[in-house]
Amino acid sequence: KAGVTQTPRYLIKTRGQQVTLSCSPISGHRSVSWYQQTPGQGLQFLFEYFSETQRNKGNFPGRFSGRQFSNSRSEMNVSTLELGDSALYLCASSSRGQGAQETQYFGPGTRLLVL
Amino acid sequence: AQSVSQHNHHVILSEAASLELGCNYSYGGTVNLFWYVQYPGQHLQLLLKYFSGDPLVKGIKGFEAEFIKSKFSFNLRKPSVQWSDTAEYFCAVRDTGNQFYFGTGTSLTVIP
Repeated sequence: KAGVTQTPRYLIKTRGQQVTLSCSPISGHRSVSWYQQTPGQGLQFLFEYFSETQRNKGNFPGRFSGRQFSNSRSEMNVSTLELGDSALYLCASSSRGQGAQETQYFGPGTRLLVL
Repeated sequence: AQSVSQHNHHVILSEAASLELGCNYSYGGTVNLFWYVQYPGQHLQLLLKYFSGDPLVKGIKGFEAEFIKSKFSFNLRKPSVQWSDTAEYFCAVRDTGNQFYFGTGTSLTVIP
């Protein structure tokens, strides 16, 4: 099985712009979670989608949003970018998600630099 | 909210030394516990996981971890590290709401 894929791998934007990141989960996986990884903060949970519905949400401002499509692919959008949004954004997928003994499998991440 | 603490931020060891990385969490309910590793330039990979049963779990590459419920801990161990173990290690906890919480990571450098 192919692993979790994320596009693009690298992105440079300027403050005030918006960005959309994409994640394709492992085939058959229906749960997709997004994380922000920064030095010193580790991984911080953004949100989780399952069957096209947002099921969990972390403590991030409304500028961060996401969606999931019927094929389980997910996109994350960040509007009005700030310098502090520079980070590695990770996507993780699992098969059934809530209530199950699930393991998340991570993609390589999208490295976003905001200038 | 759940919190996960990894006490060692940077660890430097010589090859063949023993390793123990600490992980403590705050949630008092049922949890699933994980250790992930991120090798330089690579993405996060699962090292091992605990769901239930024997609190001593063995993972890949000779790693093991012990779940001590009374101490809310899930420390990672390896009896003899190798240069190839140089990486960043993350402890993670999943609560009954299916939300994952990660520690801030421990950077391990193994000197040949």
